[in-house]
Amino acid sequence: EPEVTQTPSHQVTQMGQEVILRCVPISNHLYFYWYRQILGQKVEFLVSFYNNEISEKSEIFDDQFSVERPDGSNFTLKIRSTKLEDSAMYFCASSDLSPGKETQYFGPGTRLLVL
Amino acid sequence: GNSVTQMEGPVTLSEEAFLTINCTYTATGYPSLFWYVQYPGEGLQLLLKATKADDKGSNKGFEATYRKETTSFHLEKGSVQVSDSAVYFCALTLFSGGYNKLIFGAGTRLAVHP
Repeated sequence: EPEVTQTPSHQVTQMGQEVILRCVPISNHLYFYWYRQILGQKVEFLVSFYNNEISEKSEIFDDQFSVERPDGSNFTLKIRSTKLEDSAMYFCASSDLSPGKETQYFGPGTRLLVL
Repeated sequence: GNSVTQMEGPVTLSEEAFLTINCTYTATGYPSLFWYVQYPGEGLQLLLKATKADDKGSNKGFEATYRKETTSFHLEKGSVQVSDSAVYFCALTLFSGGYNKLIFGAGTRLAVHP
């Protein structure tokens, strides 16, 4: 069964450093998403992406964040200058919005720790 | 605004007990409703879904019915197993502009003991 993959599984970085989280969505999906989950808290929407542009972003997704689909398979989340409060699990998801197929499939996540 | 409210955990049960995890929602329009499960150390997996009122989603012995009149989507299982120990998230989506962000509840941790 096709699945969403994410790399790395864990990332430790120093405050102020840039990080890039990578995702490979399911191959025939057209919509891509990033969510995050701070430890012990709810899963929060960050951004959705379709047709090479951002469809919607939350207030969390400020100028320090960017997303990109650099080729036909990868979908990346960049945090330009990490802060302590960016420490979280980051989940990528993808979906195909054909009728009856709107389910989002999640990757296993990248645990980011900012020191 | 749109939101999901779940019963607080943790829920602790003995094996073979009956499980109910309550979920209610507030939404403008007609949402699709989902239950996702997160096993320890893993990502989110879709457990079941329902896309319109009175639909029942079911999977692995779990089921939930979309109740528009009570704006609820409670998760039930007749006989839980130790392997069901996980965090369960209720979520909704509203189709808007062709994309559909998920709005999650806070999650309910279930611990099943032998």
